[in-house]
Parts: sequence; C-alpha cells; structure tokens
Amino acid sequence: AQSVAQPEDQVNVAEGNPLTVKCTYSVSGNPYLFWYVQYPNRGLQFLLKYITGDNLVKGSYGFEAEFNKSQTSFHLKKPSALVSDSALYFCAVRDLYTGTASKLTFGTGTRLQVTL
Amino acid sequence: ETGVTQTPRHLVMGMTNKKSLKCEQHLGHNAMYWYKQSAKKPLELMFVYSLEERVENNSVPSRFSPECPNSSHLFLHLHTLQPEDSALYLCASSQEGPFVASTDTQYFGPGTRLTVL
Repeated sequence: AQSVAQPEDQVNVAEGNPLTVKCTYSVSGNPYLFWYVQYPNRGLQFLLKYITGDNLVKGSYGFEAEFNKSQTSFHLKKPSALVSDSALYFCAVRDLYTGTASKLTFGTGTRLQVTL
Repeated sequence: ETGVTQTPRHLVMGMTNKKSLKCEQHLGHNAMYWYKQSAKKPLELMFVYSLEERVENNSVPSRFSPECPNSSHLFLHLHTLQPEDSALYLCASSQEGPFVASTDTQYFGPGTRLTVL
C-alpha cells in the first residue's frame, strides 16, 4: 500500500522569508511524487513532479521540491514567499511499477499562510 | 484552468432530487477521473475512465453513477443523495491513465461544490 503524510495542517511564514511544506511518503516500489496547489474555490493546479534523476525538482511559480530517498521525504520549498502563495498544498504519490492500475494517493493538505 | 471545465460550479439539491455533474477536457487526453474532496480528508478517487471504459470503481455507492460518452466528456449522475455526500467534486484528466509505469500527470478542473439538504 502507498501513503502520504503532510504533518502540518498549517504553515505560517512572513513574505520574503523562505518556506517549506513537508511531505513524507511510503511506497513498496519506486515513488512518483507530485505537488499540487489549490486556491480558494479552484481545482488543484499541478506544481511539479519527481520521477527519477536530480533530487531537486523545479516547478511553477518559483517552487521547488527536494526528493530524499533515505528519509522518504519530498518537501516543497520556495526561497522567498509571496502573499499570493497563500493556498492549500497537496503532496501525492504513486508507486510507479506496482499493481495493474496505479492510483495517485494524496495527503490531507497543508494550508500555507503568507503574511506581510 | 480552461483545460478542464466543470459545470455547474455550485449545486444545491434535496435528497430526492436527480442531478448531473458535467466535466469536459480540452487537452486531448485519454483518461478522466472523478474525485471527492471533503474537508480535512484526503482526496478520494471515485471513478477512472480510460478510452471511455471504466477501469476503476472505488466502492462508490450506487447513488453515484458515472458516464463517459467519449474521451472528452465525463458525467456524474446523482440521485437520492445523503447530506454526507456534500463535498467538492473534482474532475481530472490525463494523457494515458493510471497504468503501471505510466508517468502521467493529472490535470484538474475547478470542481463542483455540492450541498445536499
């Protein structure tokens, strides 16, 4: 079975400061990892994904995520937060090679609040 | 968000009503999905269609009935719903489908906010 944990319900950060939204995962095989963002009254927007290769993945809006296999983590980061980054962030995982229909499993989401 | 559209954006219905949610994707994808998003819970995958064939049905109650007439359109027919069915219903699409070794990315619509009275 695969699972995702987002240990923080909410992260607060001041504009201009770096931000980190945490995600840990569990899969039996090779992980395929995603971050999505959801703004109020909107659907999920794809930010970035990791399949293989460089552990640091760059995505939309200046976000990046670091894959750490030994810690089974895929934390989302941004060097300088903006008020407009305030939203709900979801981490998701698939086991790339297991099963006949490989599902995408989502975390419960982390609300990011960026203040002036 | 024009790649995947959903109508209506908001729906209020009584428990005895019948209504339908519509999803349309303009991305040329072959797979479409229905998810349920409830507060404080992970997204729940409900149904998956690949090339208009249902490939996943996650033990969803029969009061939810999906229909995929072609690869661009997906419907969710609702009847005799319960108040606990109130949620945001999200449609998504992807190029290939949730198959082994697929490196698909799912793209989501804006959702339909459903309230069951």
